[in-house]
Amino acid sequence: NAGVTQTPKFRVLKTGQSMTLLCAQDMNHEYMYWYRQDPGMGLRLIHYSVGEGTTAKGEVPDGYNVSRLKKQNFLLGLESAAPSQTSVYFCASSWAYNQPQHFGDGTRLSIL
Amino acid sequence: QKEVEQDPGPLSVPEGAIVSLNCTYSNSAFQYFMWYRQYSRKGPELLMYTYSSGNKEDGRFTAQVDKSSKYISLFIRDSQPSDSATYLCAMRSNYQLIWGAGTKLIIKP
Repeated sequence: NAGVTQTPKFRVLKTGQSMTLLCAQDMNHEYMYWYRQDPGMGLRLIHYSVGEGTTAKGEVPDGYNVSRLKKQNFLLGLESAAPSQTSVYFCASSWAYNQPQHFGDGTRLSIL
Repeated sequence: QKEVEQDPGPLSVPEGAIVSLNCTYSNSAFQYFMWYRQYSRKGPELLMYTYSSGNKEDGRFTAQVDKSSKYISLFIRDSQPSDSATYLCAMRSNYQLIWGAGTKLIIKP
């Protein structure tokens, strides 16, 4: 009963490097989300998807790209990492926009 | 000013005490209100989900919504050390979900 699985759990990058974070859900949810969580700021929505092949920008999309080629997977990419992108990244999914979101355990990303 | 305000704490109480956690908000369009619990190095997990004003109870947890005052609360009765976590409030109007920054709760044995 995995729910939402995020890989990797930890990563350290140098400024300018690129990487992709993977989110997989096994609940057949249509909606998927990427958030970042920073101290004192709460969760902020980066991008979201309302179904396979669709993506949309959230509150803080700059510097990130996403793709949803399969319904169960949602990828978050950093093309050229910056220290300001040091954060904990959470993926979530839900049946519909107004239904509770289910979260993974996060990816801790440090950009040096 | 943030749309959702939440005292970051930490809030430290003895085991068995009644805990009150609160959020205030400024957007009167918010209709759905949620409380999530987040343990250290884990993702948030849903505790309570309410739509209307009033109280909703689930075991030791009670969620209260006062739309006229733009104020929501989460009460925890008979608090346990396992309740030590960060509690996040979240609220929605249409497609937008806004989160509080979270209150860290510590229950002392």
